[in-house]
Amino acid sequence: AQSVTQPDIHITVSEGASLELRCNYSYGATPYLFWYVQSPGQGLQLLLKYFSGDTLVQGIKGFEAEFKRSQSSFNLRKPSVHWSDAAEYFCALSDYKLSFGAGTTVTVRA
Amino acid sequence: DTAVSQTPKYLVTQMGNDKSIKCEQNLGHDTMYWYKQDSKKFLKIMFSYNNKELIINETVPNRFSPKSPDKAHLNLHINSLELGDSAVYFCASSQLSNEQFFGPGTRLTVL
Repeated sequence: AQSVTQPDIHITVSEGASLELRCNYSYGATPYLFWYVQSPGQGLQLLLKYFSGDTLVQGIKGFEAEFKRSQSSFNLRKPSVHWSDAAEYFCALSDYKLSFGAGTTVTVRA
Repeated sequence: DTAVSQTPKYLVTQMGNDKSIKCEQNLGHDTMYWYKQDSKKFLKIMFSYNNKELIINETVPNRFSPKSPDKAHLNLHINSLELGDSAVYFCASSQLSNEQFFGPGTRLTVL
């Protein structure tokens, strides 16, 4: 069965500092992987996706993620965090349905 | 232009009532979904329809019944509401296995 694990429940980062959110997956084949962001009281917005090809994918808002098959990981990164990046971040895996990780809450301090 | 819209945005009701949430997408997608986000923000799929046909039906109580009058609409009807049904319900759509586009959510509160 497919599953997604986000080991970090909550991360606090200073504005301007770098951010990395971890995502590990379990799936029998090459997965379709996604990162979504949910701002407070809002719906989910797609940051980036990986289907195949280049393992380093660029997304919106300056985010990128790297797919590492050997580690079953798809970690999200941003070099310099802005206060507006404070949100809930979800990693998800898709075959015929999306399975989400539990989410990581990101707090940005001034 | 709203891609995936849901109504209402907020829904407060008493236990035992019946309520519906409507979803519409103008993206021309063939597949639509309903997700439930609980108080711990965990997201879980409930249903999926492809071209008006039910293709995913997770372990959801029979009190929940999706209806898809056409491929642009997927409504969720809930009978005999219970306290545990309080959550945020998200509609989404996609084309095949591509990324899903989510609506703004409906916050349901059962008193």
